[in-house]
Amino acid sequence: GAVVSQHPSRVICKSGTSVKIECRSLDFQATTMFWYRQFPKQSLMLMATSNEGSKATYEQGVEKDKFLINHASLTLSTLTVTSAHPEDSSFYICSAPRDRPHNSPLHFGNGTRLTVT
Amino acid sequence: EDQVTQSPEALRLQEGESSSLNCSYTVSGLRGLFWYRQDPGKGPEFLFTLYSAGEEKEKERLKATLTKKESFLHITAPKPEDSATYLCAVQARGGSNYKLTFGKGTLLTVNP
Repeated sequence: GAVVSQHPSRVICKSGTSVKIECRSLDFQATTMFWYRQFPKQSLMLMATSNEGSKATYEQGVEKDKFLINHASLTLSTLTVTSAHPEDSSFYICSAPRDRPHNSPLHFGNGTRLTVT
Repeated sequence: EDQVTQSPEALRLQEGESSSLNCSYTVSGLRGLFWYRQDPGKGPEFLFTLYSAGEEKEKERLKATLTKKESFLHITAPKPEDSATYLCAVQARGGSNYKLTFGKGTLLTVNP
């Protein structure tokens, strides 16, 4: 069964508004979660690493003020897309490792399809 | 910079027609190579992890193998339900913990 839950699965918003996406680990604690973005027929691109109790680490080229990440508990990370624009329309996917070894696989949520009109 | 190249981009098979998907990688020391399956509109589903050259993993009709430069995902007697995009990802030694670099995937279609 699913080990990572993501909500909402789809969201449509108007340009200039903000959207919050939630990612929850089910039945395990995740001190680290990862946020990816995927464009059609493209690979998953890591946006940021969410760290419980501390600031997120953003990949080069990702605006931290636009993509706000909060990891306030060991089972929940949120991604807020602020002042969304049509170019932010994409498929956003969160993930977390369920096991401790650092080469453990990541388990992914089912993604959020964001459409900005 | 870590790189992952998957081929072919798309593959059409008849049910029962076995084939292989390729994942070539360049990484500064491999910590792990991961295969995922992704259905349309869904997040990737974990299939296998391979850690060292020569290692093989199997699950139902799928078998993953690893060399120092590439990995293969062999599909034996596929069924229509095996249709999906198969993603390969690598994790490098010395990199951030758990961080993965993905290829673009191979879109597999199995016709009945």
